Amino acid sequence: EAEVAQSPRYKITEKSQAVAFWCDPISGHATLYWYRQILGQGPELLVQFQDESVVDDSQLPKDRFSAERLKGVDSTLKIQPAELGDSAMYLCASSPGTVDTQYFGPGTRLTVL
Amino acid sequence: AQSVTQLDSQVPVFEEAPVELRCNYSSSVSVYLFWYVQYPNQGLQLLLKYLSGSTLVKGINGFEAEFNKSQTSFHLRKPSVHISDTAEYFCAVSDRETSYDKVIFGPGTSLSVIP
Repeated sequence: EAEVAQSPRYKITEKSQAVAFWCDPISGHATLYWYRQILGQGPELLVQFQDESVVDDSQLPKDRFSAERLKGVDSTLKIQPAELGDSAMYLCASSPGTVDTQYFGPGTRLTVL
Repeated sequence: AQSVTQLDSQVPVFEEAPVELRCNYSSSVSVYLFWYVQYPNQGLQLLLKYLSGSTLVKGINGFEAEFNKSQTSFHLRKPSVHISDTAEYFCAVSDRETSYDKVIFGPGTSLSVIP
C-alpha cells in the first residue's frame, strides 16, 4: 500500500539554526498539506498545495517558515531561524483531490534547544 | 469561522464496554465531517467521514458516527471497545464555502481502554 514518506523522523537543533523537512506524497495525489501538531493538540494547517500552487498559507509564519512543492510532487518545509516555540510534530498529508481522505505520513518530531 | 470542540480530553473505558466520543462544530454553512485516529507513534488515519446522505456513518474497526445538524454534532461511538482501540481521536470539519477542502481539527480525545 502506498504511503506518504517524510524525513527526517526526528530532528534536534539549536535555536537560530535552519531546519528543513521533506515530504513525498502518494503518487498521483494533487493536494499536499503541511500541519504542525503541538503535544496534546490537534494538527494545525500550515500550508496547503494544489499541485504546485499554494491555496492556503494563512497560518504559516512567513517571516521564518517557507514551503515549496516544485513540479507538484514532493515538498520541502523550511524554518529559518528556528525558535524554541517551534518544537512540535510536523505532519505531511496528501489526498487525491478536494474533499477527500487525507493520508498522513509518520511526521517529523522537531526539538529546538 | 469554523471550529471544532471535543469536550472530553481523556476518556478511560473498560474493555468490551461501549464508548462515545463527543464532537461539536461551529459553522454557519454546510459541512463535511471526519474522524481520524492516531495510534501511538503513528500518523493519523481516517476512521470515517460524512459528506452527504445518511446521517449515520459507519467506519473501520467497528466505529460509527451520527451527524446531527440541529445540534451541530458528530459523535463517535463503538458498542464494545478493545485494548487495541487505545489511541488519540480527532474530529475534523471542512466547510463547503471554500474552493478547496481546508480541514480544521479538534484538540483530540485520548481514549484509554482498561483491561
